[in-house]
Amino acid sequence: DVKVTQSSRYLVKRTGEKVFLECVQDMDHENMFWYRQDPGLGLRLIYFSYDVKMKEKGDIPEGYSVSREKKERFSLILESASTNQTSMYLCASSPLIGSNLNTEAFFGQGTRLTVV
Amino acid sequence: DQQVKQNSPSLSVQEGRISILNCDYTNSMFDYFLWYKKYPAEGPTFLISISSIKDKNEDGRFTVFLNKSAKHLSLHIVPSQPGDSAVYFCAAHPYGGSQGNLIFGKGTKLSVKP
Repeated sequence: DVKVTQSSRYLVKRTGEKVFLECVQDMDHENMFWYRQDPGLGLRLIYFSYDVKMKEKGDIPEGYSVSREKKERFSLILESASTNQTSMYLCASSPLIGSNLNTEAFFGQGTRLTVV
Repeated sequence: DQQVKQNSPSLSVQEGRISILNCDYTNSMFDYFLWYKKYPAEGPTFLISISSIKDKNEDGRFTVFLNKSAKHLSLHIVPSQPGDSAVYFCAAHPYGGSQGNLIFGKGTKLSVKP
């Protein structure tokens, strides 16, 4: 059974704090993703990584950075948290897709972050 | 510019009836489509998928239909059950995208009333 685990279910942080959201997957997947979900906006991709130390910006990378030092772990960093970063953050992983293979991404349970 | 559109933010259906959730896309290079289901305070879970070489895929009560010429897909749930009440996201995968990045719609909240 694929498991994607996010370190916290709920977090409350103050404006200006540096925030780390951790995600670990146990299926040796190459790809890992960070999304945020907001009402009426769906799932928006923040960053993704297709290999250790590799990262690519998604649709809304501003105010975020990421780290992938090990294959199983993908961290999302809010350098200086702001109230507009209050959201549900979702981590996902998937295997590398070959030309004849398609597969789904597996999601963690989400972290509800509130910035006050 | 939204590449995957779910134009109905919500849908209400009576238990036992059919639920039809719709999704439109603009990029003809999408080659794989997925539906995810999400309960509040949980991560999305994969429901069903369809490759662009097919026009229908069925799994129990769930069937996904793909109309490539119209760039439209739909998810049918028959019969609908109260436990199906959730937000449903349509997602698409671009052809040749080896990184597996999925592009999601904004979601449709389905309420199935007993």
